[in-house]
Amino acid sequence: AQGVTQPEKLLSVFKGAPVELKCNYSYSGSPELFWYVQYSRQRLQLLLRHISRESIKGFTADLNKGETSFHLKKPFAQEEDSAMYYCAHLTNTGFQKLVFGTGTRLLVSP
Amino acid sequence: DGGITQSPKYLFRKEGQNVTLSCEQNLNHDAMYWYRQDPGQGLRLIYYSQIVNDFQKGDIAEGYSVSREKKESFPLTVTSAQKNPTAFYLCASSPRTGLSNQPQHFGDGTRLSIL
Repeated sequence: AQGVTQPEKLLSVFKGAPVELKCNYSYSGSPELFWYVQYSRQRLQLLLRHISRESIKGFTADLNKGETSFHLKKPFAQEEDSAMYYCAHLTNTGFQKLVFGTGTRLLVSP
Repeated sequence: DGGITQSPKYLFRKEGQNVTLSCEQNLNHDAMYWYRQDPGQGLRLIYYSQIVNDFQKGDIAEGYSVSREKKESFPLTVTSAQKNPTAFYLCASSPRTGLSNQPQHFGDGTRLSIL
């Protein structure tokens, strides 16, 4: 079955520390993967997608087909990065839909 | 402002009662979606609509119903058949379905609780 796994429910780091939010996918073919973020009292929004190979708010995510991973990384965490992060994958069977992971809450302490 | 508006923000349901959650978008998007968000379970797709007058069941459609009579509106009814309705409900839209360069835009959500 196609899906994404986020093994950590909570990740707590200090300001300035590196951050890596893990996401592994199970998929046959070329996956299309995304990271969505939900800040406190704000709506869920797209952070980045692997096809763009972009860096948003200092975050990057590289697709590693060998490890079937799409981890979200930032070298120096900021307090405003505290939020809920969801990894999502676009399926390719029948109706293409987003399948979300269970989410990881990132807490950045001063 | 363009965007998605969900109402109400909080909703309470009595036993045996149907309730309807509103979702309106002024983004001129063809596709609309309803998700349910539970702690520790991420977002699960309830229903989606690719175009007006068409909708399809998602992964957890039992106990829910929708309609898509207008492009900008996609209301979700939580029926009495839904035995565990307490959750946070998110509506989303995208220009079309299934295209990775057309991400989904989300509303602020409605929190439904049982009295």
